[in-house]
Amino acid sequence: AQKITQTQPGMFVQEKEAVTLDCTYDTSDPSYGLFWYKQPSSGEMIFLIYQGSYDQQNATEGRYSLNFQKARKSANLVISASQLGDSAMYFCAMRVWGGGADGLTFGKGTHLIIQP
Amino acid sequence: DGGITQSPKYLFRKEGQNVTLSCEQNLNHDAMYWYRQDPGQGLRLIYYSQIVNDFQKGDIAEGYSVSREKKESFPLTVTSAQKNPTAFYLCASSFQGRNSPLHFGNGTRLTVT
Repeated sequence: AQKITQTQPGMFVQEKEAVTLDCTYDTSDPSYGLFWYKQPSSGEMIFLIYQGSYDQQNATEGRYSLNFQKARKSANLVISASQLGDSAMYFCAMRVWGGGADGLTFGKGTHLIIQP
Repeated sequence: DGGITQSPKYLFRKEGQNVTLSCEQNLNHDAMYWYRQDPGQGLRLIYYSQIVNDFQKGDIAEGYSVSREKKESFPLTVTSAQKNPTAFYLCASSFQGRNSPLHFGNGTRLTVT
């Protein structure tokens, strides 16, 4: 079974600062993908970034980067130069393939609030 | 534009009634999923389907049923057997494979009184 742990229930960050959202994972499957999603108060889930377990380089997408440390089983999301619109819930998730199971396993999320 | 449509956005039902939530996608995805989200919680998998006419139970399938008669559609029925049906329900779809993200609809907020 897979497990995602997000240890920061809530965070307050000043606008324009960088922010790191923590995520650790557990799986016995050597092949997996790690995802981050943003959920604004309106409720939709917005895909931000993906990291594959065999990827050698950390993923980046605009202001988002993923700090992937495989040995530590961590996949932290880094948001550079935070903006007021970044205020939302952020979820880390994992997907494995094969073995008869599918779907994303989610953490409980981090509520990020950007302050002006 | 391609996307996932969930309807309705808000749904109110009396206890003891079955209710069906709609989910349609035009992204040509093979796989579709239903998740439940409770306040302050992450998403939990109810059912998923990797191919038409086949579906599998997720972590919290009790009290729910699904069908997959068409590739584009994956309706979820919340039955009267579901003990705590009030929640936010999200439908998603994706291509097969561990590197494919799930694309989500805007959700249906179900309230049962």
